[in-house]
Amino acid sequence: AQSVTQLDSQVPVFEEAPVELRCNYSSSVSVYLFWYVQYPNQGLQLLLKYLSGSTLVKGINGFEAEFNKSQTSFHLRKPSVHISDTAEYFCAVSDIGYGNKLVFGAGTILRVKS
Amino acid sequence: GAVVSQHPSWVICKSGTSVKIECRSLDFQATTMFWYRQFPKQSLMLMATSNEGSKATYEQGVEKDKFLINHASLTLSTLTVTSAHPEDSSFYICSALAGTTDEQFFGPGTRLTVL
Repeated sequence: AQSVTQLDSQVPVFEEAPVELRCNYSSSVSVYLFWYVQYPNQGLQLLLKYLSGSTLVKGINGFEAEFNKSQTSFHLRKPSVHISDTAEYFCAVSDIGYGNKLVFGAGTILRVKS
Repeated sequence: GAVVSQHPSWVICKSGTSVKIECRSLDFQATTMFWYRQFPKQSLMLMATSNEGSKATYEQGVEKDKFLINHASLTLSTLTVTSAHPEDSSFYICSALAGTTDEQFFGPGTRLTVL
């Protein structure tokens, strides 16, 4: 069975500073990896996904993530954050295919301060 | 494109009553939809996979008789919480699988409060 660990429950950061949200996973098979963002009282929006190919994945809103198979990690990064990036971010894994069941991490709340 | 709606966005009901939540794919057909539950300050937990024209597949620990799922058309799945109790209060989120891209698109969620 897969599992996803998001190492930080909250990450405070000043506006225009870089940020990294950490995600580690465990699975006995090959995986697909995703990052979603959730604003208060809203559903999830896909930021980016890794299915295959280049291990550096670029997503929306200036975010990117790097798949590291040896470290079983998929950390999310942004070189310069904005106040509007304040939200909760979820890392998720799917072991069969994109359309199959997603297992989510506990989430990381990103708080951007001015 | 690829918009998923949920109705209602929030609902308050009395203990013992039933509540129906609708999930619609507005601009695409979805043979598969998923229902998740999210407790405050926690992650999403998959409750069940809803397949059009067949019975839903429930995750371990989810009571199928309490959380009734119907997927009668390619654009609509419903979740009915029967005999609701305060512990059923939660944020319920659905997603729909877009067959052309095999991507899940999420609805905005429904907040259920059972008094």
